[in-house]
Amino acid sequence: AQKITQTQPGMFVQEKEAVTLDCTYDTSDPSYGLFWYKQPSSGEMIFLIYQGSYDQQNATEGRYSLNFQKARKSANLVISASQLGDSAMYFCAMGTGANNLFFGTGTRLTVIP
Amino acid sequence: DAEITQSPRHKITETGRQVTLACHQTWNHNNMFWYRQDLGHGLRLIHYSYGVQDTNKGEVSDGYSVSRSNTEDLPLTLESAASSQTSVYFCASSESSKGIADTQYFGPGTRLTVL
Repeated sequence: AQKITQTQPGMFVQEKEAVTLDCTYDTSDPSYGLFWYKQPSSGEMIFLIYQGSYDQQNATEGRYSLNFQKARKSANLVISASQLGDSAMYFCAMGTGANNLFFGTGTRLTVIP
Repeated sequence: DAEITQSPRHKITETGRQVTLACHQTWNHNNMFWYRQDLGHGLRLIHYSYGVQDTNKGEVSDGYSVSRSNTEDLPLTLESAASSQTSVYFCASSESSKGIADTQYFGPGTRLTVL
């Protein structure tokens, strides 16, 4: 069975600092993808970054990077130089060959000015 | 620009009524999904479709149905609405699988209240 765990219900970060949001996963499938989505207070789900299980390098998209540690089954999201607009819920998700996504329960990030 | 839309954005209904939530995408994606979002549960999969005439049950499919008659639309029907179905519903779509799940793009969501 697939499982995604986000153990931080809430996180605070000072503006312009970096923050790491934790995500661990469990699957027996050798082929999988890991995703992070942002959900601001307006409610929409915004795709941020993707990491494939066979990718050799950690994914990077602008200020977002995914710290992928396959042996530890972790896929932490790192946001550099936090901005006030980064305050939101962040969801980690995993997809396998069945093409369905399994989501964690989310982490609420608050950026402090 | 391609997009995925949902209607209505807000709906209040009564217990026992049939409700249909619409989802329309112009990405020309084969795969479409319905999720519900509840506090403490993240997003949970209700139904999904890999193409026209294909539908599959997800983790929480009881009380819901879908049909796929064309590529663009996947309406979600609550056969007899229950208070436990009060939730925010998201539709999503993705391209055909390349062996690993593709990125899913989400609609804006529908907030459903069942009284």
